[in-house]
Amino acid sequence: DAGITQSPRHKVTETGTPVTLRCHQTENHRYMYWYRQDPGHGLRLIHYSYGVKDTDKGEVSDGYSVSRSKTEDFLLTLESATSSQTSVYFCAISAENSSPLHFGNGTRLTVT
Amino acid sequence: EDQVTQSPEALRLQEGESSSLNCSYTVSGLRGLFWYRQDPGKGPEFLFTLYSAGEEKEKERLKATLTKKESFLHITAPKPEDSATYLCAVVGGSNYKLTFGKGTLLTVNP
Repeated sequence: DAGITQSPRHKVTETGTPVTLRCHQTENHRYMYWYRQDPGHGLRLIHYSYGVKDTDKGEVSDGYSVSRSKTEDFLLTLESATSSQTSVYFCAISAENSSPLHFGNGTRLTVT
Repeated sequence: EDQVTQSPEALRLQEGESSSLNCSYTVSGLRGLFWYRQDPGKGPEFLFTLYSAGEEKEKERLKATLTKKESFLHITAPKPEDSATYLCAVVGGSNYKLTFGKGTLLTVNP
């Protein structure tokens, strides 16, 4: 299994509070991604990174920000959580931009 | 805009009953089509990459094929442990972002 650790695995938070999810990899891969998975929508890209301090938006980036200060860590922040951000969040990594993605086991976030 | 449609949404088979899952796609300049398997509570697990029409890949009871418009995941003599959601994704053109389908939930009964 690819060395990807997501933390926390589960979190319940209240509307309006900030939340940060962490993804840590041990593969030294250049590309890192944050996806959310919701019933009826499949996996949707939030943000991705193509190197330290290099990030770009995906298709559902509103309300989310990311940071990558080290190759191994990619943080996803919800500045002010809303109920619509209740979802399962997956981090993924790849060696190159057209290489297969390898996923972590997800963080289940509930915003009440 | 890249699009991926998977069918059926759900498929129930008896152990040993072979079948196929479909992934239809619309993409400008296909760079790769990917198949993943996802078990409940886990992240997707990479199975195959296909790059050009006519290409085939096999792994145990699974075989993936690719045409210019669709891909099939053939499952031969499935076992209950093959039960999972199977996801298809494409990447195309100058956009290196994957577009995923919504998946097919496969249940194999003993």
